[in-house]
Amino acid sequence: RKEVEQDPGPFNVPEGATVAFNCTYSNSASQSFFWYRQDCRKEPKLLMSVYSSGNEDGRFTAQLNRASQYISLLIRDSKLSDSATYLCVVIENRGYQKVTFGTGTKLQVIP
Amino acid sequence: SQTIHQWPATLVQPVGSPLSLECTVEGTSNPNLYWYRQAAGRGLQLLFYSVGIGQISSEVPQNLSASRPQDRQFILSSKKLLLSDSGFYLCAWRRGQGSGANVLTFGAGSRLTVL
Repeated sequence: RKEVEQDPGPFNVPEGATVAFNCTYSNSASQSFFWYRQDCRKEPKLLMSVYSSGNEDGRFTAQLNRASQYISLLIRDSKLSDSATYLCVVIENRGYQKVTFGTGTKLQVIP
Repeated sequence: SQTIHQWPATLVQPVGSPLSLECTVEGTSNPNLYWYRQAAGRGLQLLFYSVGIGQISSEVPQNLSASRPQDRQFILSSKKLLLSDSGFYLCAWRRGQGSGANVLTFGAGSRLTVL
């Protein structure tokens, strides 16, 4: 089983739609969680951290379920500019704190 | 503020040639440094990480090596490139400790094509 798993997609959604991505992780010692966004042929950039209580940033909502070991990202009112690959990132609570990326979920917002 | 620089941005190299990619971080001290590779259409693969000068850990055995000659400098090298070394190489840093310690920031990447 992969340490961090994501549905690769692609998710093709119309503008204005709501879309949700899930990410599961295998190590219960994982401590910190993030969503990154990667545009085609660019470096990944931090989208938002994920807190235990859930957090929201504009149209984006992130949630963490430690019991089931998954995190989610919800995008409301999708824009064309949201088209990108969304990467789940998990940092473990050990030693140097290993950083593990999921393979990413590709989102294509269609006009 | 902190910035990360990575170069060259693009390079095309023949099989068997050497490689040197450089990464520097400004505005911080004692960062944790990382080299990742992303093959076309694939996820990020951690190659090396470093928690201090001269301290390098390898995640995947291969013909690449890394060095950290200075606190904020991280170099990825190869003596002889393989076709399979083609990919998008990303350097990243994060604080060793303190606020924001967990946030990972990437350089703009170096796109390598081995022919």
